[in-house]
Amino acid sequence: DTGVSQDPRHKITKRGQNVTFRCDPISEHNRLYWYRQTLGQGPEFLTYFQNEAQLEKSRLLSDRFSAERPKGSFSTLEIQRTEQGDSAMYLCASSLVAGGGTDTQYFGPGTRLTVL
Amino acid sequence: AQSVTQLGSHVSVSEGALVLLRCNYSSSVPPYLFWYVQYPNQGLQLLLKYTSAATLVKGINGFEAEFKKSETSFHLTKPSAHMSDAAEYFCAVSGVSGNQFYFGTGTSLTVIP
Repeated sequence: DTGVSQDPRHKITKRGQNVTFRCDPISEHNRLYWYRQTLGQGPEFLTYFQNEAQLEKSRLLSDRFSAERPKGSFSTLEIQRTEQGDSAMYLCASSLVAGGGTDTQYFGPGTRLTVL
Repeated sequence: AQSVTQLGSHVSVSEGALVLLRCNYSSSVPPYLFWYVQYPNQGLQLLLKYTSAATLVKGINGFEAEFKKSETSFHLTKPSAHMSDAAEYFCAVSGVSGNQFYFGTGTSLTVIP
């Protein structure tokens, strides 16, 4: 399978704990995106990388959230001091952008976070 | 700014009936529009996309969508619903820069046997 993969698929944690999620994009894709999806809502943009550079962050991404893509391949999203409001599905997407125009984002299966 | 509105959070159709899921967009630039489908506990799968090449776009699984600039709409249709079409459908818009997608709140499709 050469699609976007995410690990873990499910994470249950206690409030105040730190969690880290991993995303492996489609291998030749240069852009990687993180979204958050809560129940009954569409995905909301959090941040994106072009290669290893983090180019944009949403206001939704509080100081407790940090994302990295150190070698321009896989990415990690860390949430520190988790709160119950962080419970959501965290989706990763990747795309290949060459030149101008928009891209098509391909999504992974998501990581469902439950904060108790 | 870009945004999409999906009218009807829940749609029910009989098996074999026409599927119509509505999406209206707001964009300050010529939009790129997408429809994604999401099955329970899974990520989003691309159904089709509009990138200004043709106003009628055909996608996977027999779905198609028509871009109507005068109505700022991009409704999703399928002539005959199948049980396997039951899922959540999301419309999304991106700007020319394509840096991020703006998703609608989704429409849950139920297919009645």
